[in-house]
Amino acid sequence: DSGVTQTPKHLITATGQRVTLRCSPRSGDLSVYWYQQSLDQGLQFLIQYYNGEERAKGNILERFSAQQFPDLHSELNLSSLELGDSALYFCASSVNSGGAGGGGALHFGNGTRLTVT
Amino acid sequence: GENVEQHPSTLSVQEGDSAVIKCTYSDSASNYFPWYKQELGKGPQLIIDIRSNVGEKKDQRIAVTLNKTAKHFSLHITETQPEDSAVYFCAAKRGADGLTFGKGTHLIIQP
Repeated sequence: DSGVTQTPKHLITATGQRVTLRCSPRSGDLSVYWYQQSLDQGLQFLIQYYNGEERAKGNILERFSAQQFPDLHSELNLSSLELGDSALYFCASSVNSGGAGGGGALHFGNGTRLTVT
Repeated sequence: GENVEQHPSTLSVQEGDSAVIKCTYSDSASNYFPWYKQELGKGPQLIIDIRSNVGEKKDQRIAVTLNKTAKHFSLHITETQPEDSAVYFCAAKRGADGLTFGKGTHLIIQP
């Protein structure tokens, strides 16, 4: 058990809808990362928050947004959903900001499987 | 941005034999290289990592080597066991950027 909690485990929704995925990081971890995993694209980095502030941005669509709250949990909001958004969405956490030093082990949750019909 | 290539996509070995998975990266400024194991229905789990100032690191049956000049790194698993069957991902990271993952290797341990 990584200590990272993601809810819900499964989500089925229709095109055009909006959903919110939730993540609670490991106790003591200040950074939260969001990744999208699909068969054709693999694991794609979306966005990172560190202690409430956006830290790094990857291939996140404008229809997607995220935030990290004062209690350090994070939410990923996906709107105007399309069939191609169907994927596994993972949250990961780490103790540090993963800055210039590069390192900082990421601990992944078990993901939310999103199916858009 | 960074690009990570991983080979092979599928690797089948006999139980007890060794398995080697190779990755190359494109950005010479990348300085952190972790390996993750993903089992069915679970998130990736960190199994070993190496930083750019180290050439090799070992943890029991698992070892990672890094060749900065050639920009490639490899995962070595010795004395493979059935529980080693999973998908393995390499990744590279530069500074504050997010991890860039390879496409994964499905490792199958044949009894």
